[in-house]
Amino acid sequence: GENVEQHPSTLSVQEGDSAVIKCTYSDSASNYFPWYKQELGKRPQLIIDIRSNVGEKKDQRIAVTLNKTAKHFSLHITETQPEDSAVYFCAASQGSGYSTLTFGKGTMLLVSP
Amino acid sequence: SQTIHQWPATLVQPVGSPLSLECTVEGTSNPNLYWYRQAAGRGLQLLFYSVGIGQISSEVPQNLSASRPQDRQFILSSKKLLLSDSGFYLCACAADTAGQLSTDTQYFGPGTRLTVL
Repeated sequence: GENVEQHPSTLSVQEGDSAVIKCTYSDSASNYFPWYKQELGKRPQLIIDIRSNVGEKKDQRIAVTLNKTAKHFSLHITETQPEDSAVYFCAASQGSGYSTLTFGKGTMLLVSP
Repeated sequence: SQTIHQWPATLVQPVGSPLSLECTVEGTSNPNLYWYRQAAGRGLQLLFYSVGIGQISSEVPQNLSASRPQDRQFILSSKKLLLSDSGFYLCACAADTAGQLSTDTQYFGPGTRLTVL
């Protein structure tokens, strides 16, 4: 089955800096890669996703890049703000209606003012 | 877009007691539904998923079970809770924005925080 590795497990940055979280996956059949943000005590919220037919996707300060050859994808947050502090999860799936998501173990991002 | 309800929001139960957590979805039809558990400070563990009424797939063998008696209702149960069952239980739904056949984009409900003492 699919295996998703996520690094780093914790990331501390100063407000205004950029943050990058990286994930690798094992199943070459995976073609859908979402990212979730989970604030303390809350549900995970989908923040951005990418499919294998594109290499990069942006949404304001957030971007995701995908390298299918190397089987890795990354989340980039620019101009970080204290409210970006949360746990971020990457995931991968084969993108069919009957597939399941395999999640990474999460990255705790701390943005200091 | 779909709305996911979960109840109760919090629950404290003694070891050995039964459990029933409910998840209902509005605004979509024929969704894929999922149960996840998240232990404190940990990642998301998929417990069960369902692609239709009465269809349940189990990912992790344990003392939990799931049922889907209606298209938009998903229930997580246990006959006897263990201390290790404590955690944050999340229901997720996968369906497109028009409420048509399920896709792979999952959205989470608000969760139930279970403490087993």
